[in-house]
This record gives sequence, C-alpha cells and structure tokens, in this order.
Amino acid sequence: SQQGEEDPQALSIQEGENATMNCSYKTSINNLQWYRQNSGRGLVHLILIRSNEREKHSGRLRVTLDTSKKSSSLLITASRAADTASYFCATPNSGYSTLTFGKGTMLLVSP
Amino acid sequence: GAGVSQSPRYKVAKRGQDVALRCDPISGHVSLFWYQQALGQGPEFLTYFQNEAQLDKSGLPSDRFFAERPEGSVSTLKIQRTQQEDSAVYLCASSFQGASYEQYFGPGTRLTVT
Repeated sequence: SQQGEEDPQALSIQEGENATMNCSYKTSINNLQWYRQNSGRGLVHLILIRSNEREKHSGRLRVTLDTSKKSSSLLITASRAADTASYFCATPNSGYSTLTFGKGTMLLVSP
Repeated sequence: GAGVSQSPRYKVAKRGQDVALRCDPISGHVSLFWYQQALGQGPEFLTYFQNEAQLDKSGLPSDRFFAERPEGSVSTLKIQRTQQEDSAVYLCASSFQGASYEQYFGPGTRLTVT
C-alpha cells in the first residue's frame, strides 16, 4: 500500500522556472525522504528531513515538513532540462524496516 | 564498492521458469532491501535484511518469492514458477541502518515473463 501520495501527478515547466511538488502521508514518522528516478541514473536519494526539522536545503532543492498536517513539499529552483524525472517521497513504516513510496510526480522541464 | 550493483540488468523468462536476481550492496551497509516497481508506480517493498537476518518479508507477494542473504552481504531474490504478473523492475537498496537513513539503490533488474 502507498503511504505517501505526491501531488501533482505530472508537472510540465520551462527551464529556469521553479517546480513545487507536494507529499502527504498518513502515520507518524521520524523522517521523510525524497528520491528522483530517471532512466539514466535509476533511483537516487535527494534529501532526508527529520521530524524535528521544518525546512532543509540542498543546492537548488528546498524541502519543508509539516508534521501537524502530515505533509511535505519539494521545491526545485531554476529548473534545468536535466531535472526531468519522476520524484518520489518516501516514509518509514512503523517498524522502520522499510520505506513506503508514493506514486511519484513526473516532472518535465522543457528547454 | 562504488555503489549497489544488480545482475542481470534484464531477464526474459518463460512462464513457469525459475529466476534468480542478484544484489551486491555497498560494503559495510547493514541493511538491504528488495522492492518491486511496476511501470508508472513507486517501488513496493518486498523484504528487508539486517545483516544475514531477514527481519521483514511481509511484502513478498506469494510463496513463490524467496530471498536470502547468507553471509550478510550479497543477496539473491528467487522467483519460482514465474508468472506474467511477476513482470516488473526489481530494485535492491542498501543503507547504513534500516529505514531511518537514506537508501542507495541499484540500477534494477527488469524481468519480463512471456
């Protein structure tokens, strides 16, 4: 079953624009992770934010976490064609034995 | 090693055949995970190892699926009597410790059952 659900399912923007995608989850967590998947590099970890953090930055990425609303957002600034990929949020299950992934947001960045 | 490796990258099996998929995790990573990913979906959990112990196999879809990690490093996912619904990409990931840390994924094995 999918715990995290990303929104929107698909997003199409121009190079240089910002892209925002959201994730909602259902149960209490100690961390939330974002991953990117494209055909060239497979599934790659982007950023991990812990439950006691509200915001985290990594390069052009900014992630927020609102544990009261059980939601997170990923912002990609100044997007590039190379950012074209599917983006997944993932949360641990209650036993911390696995991550549960959403269905992903498919981002298309056009030159 | 430099990253998680998986072999084969592609496997075509006739329905009813047995297949074995191999995963080499990052050296020193205690945790190893197997996921199944259908087209257009996110990865779905299959099973989790901590060292050689299989601590969670709740995601294995049937008793035709079997995984092992006998020496706490390389892992093999075996599917017996493959069926068409088994066609998917099988991803292996490793992490320092459980799901509280980032996971490093291999390139996956794309299994097609004909």
